[in-house]
Amino acid sequence: EAQVTQNPRYLITVTGKKLTVTCSQNMNHEYMSWYRQDPGLGLRQIYYSMNVEVTDKGDVPEGYKVSRKEKRNFPLILESPSPNQTSLYFCASSLGGYNSPLHFGNGTRLTVT
Amino acid sequence: AQSVSQHNHHVILSEAASLELGCNYSYGGTVNLFWYVQYPGQHLQLLLKYFSGDPLVKGIKGFEAEFIKSKFSFNLRKPSVQWSDTAEYFCAVLGSSNTGKLIFGQGTTLQVKP
Repeated sequence: EAQVTQNPRYLITVTGKKLTVTCSQNMNHEYMSWYRQDPGLGLRQIYYSMNVEVTDKGDVPEGYKVSRKEKRNFPLILESPSPNQTSLYFCASSLGGYNSPLHFGNGTRLTVT
Repeated sequence: AQSVSQHNHHVILSEAASLELGCNYSYGGTVNLFWYVQYPGQHLQLLLKYFSGDPLVKGIKGFEAEFIKSKFSFNLRKPSVQWSDTAEYFCAVLGSSNTGKLIFGQGTTLQVKP
């Protein structure tokens, strides 16, 4: 089944403790992206990747890192999480280009205390 | 900067009522427009999309949307809602083909009462 898989689904952590949220897609998509969803703000892009080893900042990249060493994986790294990063995170992928809708993962609800 | 605005933040309807959710975007060039739905506790799913051609686009589950270029609008409609349509709805525009970035509206929560 074609899908975008994120792990974990839920994560509670403390300020400053490094964490990684994994994202994997099995559709051979070139484009991958991370969004965070906050009430009243919709979804905002954190980082995106057009292809392997190509990543770039979205609208709200501060406090996050990503890597794209393989086509299928696009982990999101929080080196030193803070409470304002408490949010719902979605990974998404697409073939890339104009006519390609995004396919979303199931989301990761992160709470930083 | 490109933006998407959804006018209704929270809509409550009874089953069988008609639905129209407003969406306006600010971008003067060629646009690709989308409506996504997020059922409670689930990820976003594509309802429908507009790239070009017929401005009236039909999507899944009986939803449709009309692209009106002169009004920069892409409103979502459904003639008769069901309880299972309770969800959050997001309008989005593909701002740039170079980045593939979708710009989302704030979302509209639809609650359908049985």
